[in-house]
Amino acid sequence: QKEVEQDPGPLSVPEGAIVSLNCTYSNSAFQYFMWYRQYSRKGPELLMYTYSSGNKEDGRFTAQVDKSSKYISLFIRDSQPSDSATYLCAPAGGTSYGKLTFGQGTILTVHP
Amino acid sequence: DGGITQSPKYLFRKEGQNVTLSCEQNLNHDAMYWYRQDPGQGLRLIYYSQIVNDFQKGDIAEGYSVSREKKESFPLTVTSAQKNPTAFYLCASSIGGQGNLQTQYFGPGTRLLVL
Repeated sequence: QKEVEQDPGPLSVPEGAIVSLNCTYSNSAFQYFMWYRQYSRKGPELLMYTYSSGNKEDGRFTAQVDKSSKYISLFIRDSQPSDSATYLCAPAGGTSYGKLTFGQGTILTVHP
Repeated sequence: DGGITQSPKYLFRKEGQNVTLSCEQNLNHDAMYWYRQDPGQGLRLIYYSQIVNDFQKGDIAEGYSVSREKKESFPLTVTSAQKNPTAFYLCASSIGGQGNLQTQYFGPGTRLLVL
């Protein structure tokens, strides 16, 4: 079993749709939960992160963590074509050196 | 501008050849990382360095080597022992140290192709 599992998709939605991206993980020591966005042929960029369980909202994006079920989600409201990218979840913590464990990434396409 | 630079953008390797990928950062970060990205497999950690003159193997270090002689630089050599080197290589850095939220910042990547 991989330490972090993420549905690779691809996921294709119409503009304006609500998108749900999900990951599960097995390491209960994870404390920080990051989401990276990667446009085609570019390096990933940090989208947002949460600490421990709960929700965090940033504009059209909401990150949700349920540590009891080891389940993390990213919701995108009113999706736009510019949201088309690969989204990578990356739990972290429980170590002293900041190693991240990335999911496989979900490829999202938002079509006009 | 602060950031991470990687060069070259594309690199071609012949059979039996060693090639070196460059990574430089001016963020004054202590920690640096090298990842390999293949389709459908996400990012896999090759090597990482927490401080100058020190580095550790990641999950897929075989066939690769690194050095960390300067804080700003963390070059990756893909040796002839790496039998399947075709991939997108990403360098990243973070503040480092204990107790810090270890947000990693990525470079633009190098795409390595085998001739």
